Amino acid sequence: QPVLTQPPSASASLGASVTLTCTLSSGYNNYKVDWYQQRPGKGPRFVVRVGTGGIMGSKGDDISDRFSVLGSGLNRSLTIKNIQEEDESDYYCGADHGSGTNYVYVFGTGTKVTVL
Amino acid sequence: QVQLVESGGGLVKPGGSLRLSCAASGFTFSDYYMSWIRQAPGKGLEWVSYISSGGSGVYYADSVKGRFTISRDNAKNSLYLQLSSLRAEDTAVYYCAREFGDFFDYWGQGTLVTVSS
Repeated sequence: QPVLTQPPSASASLGASVTLTCTLSSGYNNYKVDWYQQRPGKGPRFVVRVGTGGIMGSKGDDISDRFSVLGSGLNRSLTIKNIQEEDESDYYCGADHGSGTNYVYVFGTGTKVTVL
Repeated sequence: QVQLVESGGGLVKPGGSLRLSCAASGFTFSDYYMSWIRQAPGKGLEWVSYISSGGSGVYYADSVKGRFTISRDNAKNSLYLQLSSLRAEDTAVYYCAREFGDFFDYWGQGTLVTVSS
């Protein structure tokens, strides 16, 4: 099954941009990746799905236009533009590794985003 | 609006059992696959178990296989997770989540399970 690698932390000044990366392990370059936001003390919420061609489907409910994605090779990135205090959260990427006879969903270790 | 509300968490001794529930509302529960996902204190997310819309298809993470049982009651709009032979490493917040196209589009707020003597 794929391993999803995320840096443990990222930061940006209020109003600046930050890009979060999620790197798939070798051999999984055709996989879609899902991004989730988890604010402190809250349950996660779906942000967006990204493939090699970029965004797939619609963003989650009430997800700002400031969130965008890119997909290339083994990398699936999430960019937050004009970052706001409300964006300070943990961000997890995840991927479905199911087949007809099995189901596995794997998460990355998460990136903590701090707004300076 | 979609709502998922977990309950049933608490303190349990190693080797003990617990049953978690997830009450769903705001959507046609019987149309959706559902999953349980957990998060140990200060740690990341770990998918635990999945159940198909009708309940016939179930899958588990290797870490819980043989100890946890997922089920659902579509008439009651409810999802369940029976936890048995609990270990300290099962201590976590357990979330129920709705599946939509192989990702989780709605999550509950979670219920905390603490396994300690």
